[in-house]
Amino acid sequence: NAGVTQTPKFRVLKTGQSMTLLCAQDMNHEYMYWYRQDPGMGLRLIHYSVGEGTTAKGEVPDGYNVSRLKKQNFLLGLESAAPSQTSVYFCASSSFGSPGSTYEQYFGPGTRLTVT
Amino acid sequence: AQSVTQLGSHVSVSEGALVLLRCNYSSSVPPYLFWYVQYPNQGLQLLLKYTSAATLVKGINGFEAEFKKSETSFHLTKPSAHMSDAAEYFCAVITGGYNKLIFGAGTRLAVHP
Repeated sequence: NAGVTQTPKFRVLKTGQSMTLLCAQDMNHEYMYWYRQDPGMGLRLIHYSVGEGTTAKGEVPDGYNVSRLKKQNFLLGLESAAPSQTSVYFCASSSFGSPGSTYEQYFGPGTRLTVT
Repeated sequence: AQSVTQLGSHVSVSEGALVLLRCNYSSSVPPYLFWYVQYPNQGLQLLLKYTSAATLVKGINGFEAEFKKSETSFHLTKPSAHMSDAAEYFCAVITGGYNKLIFGAGTRLAVHP
């Protein structure tokens, strides 16, 4: 099992450009999440999905859009990148909280994005 | 609303010394608590979790944490630090359903010879 994978690993954008980050998981998890990590602020939730075709806003959703057309994939889009979106982005997945579930999230390796 | 506070953004210990990383939480419901570790340029890896079973939780790499409801704490300890323990450590609590997490700001652990 590859677990959670993210592409690309690194990206540099100019202000105003757009891009899509791809997250894939092979654990058949229902829940998926996108976070951004900034120094001294821990990880903050951008958007999440509780199943195929669903998305919901997290703590810091402005400037981002997401889609989950397939259960195993969760895409994060930046329509018009800004320097404030320079960050490390992590995707995670988690199983449904049924009996025996252990609730933890499994994380991908991250994407380092720089917006100039 | 749930929140997590990690005391000390940087902790430095000698190899072989006790590691103590502090985490306090606020929660209006019985909490599910987690410690994750992040090695340089990597994702987060689960160290251990508290899900309302035993209050002393053992994790990987010799780490353990004790849930103390009266102190709203979930401090992480390791009796003897190793150079390979140098990393950033995050405490987190589940909030609002769907296994969503609130993270603390993180504590960077340095281990020196």
